Amino acid sequence: KQEVTQIPAALSVPEGENLVLNCSFTDSAIYNLQWFRQDPGKGLTSLLLIQSSQREQTSGRLNASLDKSSGRSTLYIAASQPGDSATYLCAVQNTGNQFYFGTGTSLTVIP
Amino acid sequence: KAGVTQTPRYLIKTRGQQVTLSCSPISGHRSVSWYQQTPGQGLQFLFEYFSETQRNKGNFPGRFSGRQFSNSRSEMNVSTLELGDSALYLCASSSRDRSQGPLHFGNGTRLTVT
Repeated sequence: KQEVTQIPAALSVPEGENLVLNCSFTDSAIYNLQWFRQDPGKGLTSLLLIQSSQREQTSGRLNASLDKSSGRSTLYIAASQPGDSATYLCAVQNTGNQFYFGTGTSLTVIP
Repeated sequence: KAGVTQTPRYLIKTRGQQVTLSCSPISGHRSVSWYQQTPGQGLQFLFEYFSETQRNKGNFPGRFSGRQFSNSRSEMNVSTLELGDSALYLCASSSRDRSQGPLHFGNGTRLTVT
């Protein structure tokens, strides 16, 4: 069964810092990997989707990379802002069409 | 384009009762999946429907069931509610035929069982 781990569980940084969130998974036979953010009491907002054949995806200040062979993905956030404060979740989709989620990293950006 | 809509947003039920949650996917999306989110277990997959057929199922007891209609709208039913069923129930839709991704989530239904 796919196991997804996110480290750290919580992170606090001052505004303007660049930061990296980590996601690791145990089964490298994935179809794709998706990063989400979740605000308190809300649903998940899709940030980036990386297909298994891709190495990275970029959207604005966000860059996600994927190393399938080592079972790792990182989400890089440049020039962090207080509005980036949220929980960030990664999810991997196995070839069996099911998504497995990590437990998330709770990010706080201090003004 | 309207996003994924879940109703109701909040529900309070008593142990032993049953509940039905509703999800309207993004227009044109044929895959709908359901997840349970709790502080202790995180996001857990319940089931996925595609073109009115259940395509995948997670490890939940038979008290949890669902269905999908011809217009792709989906409902999830939980019978004989237990205190441990208190959670945020999230619905996600996807447009792709061969796989689920990318997923687009609704804001969820917060179920409280007393």
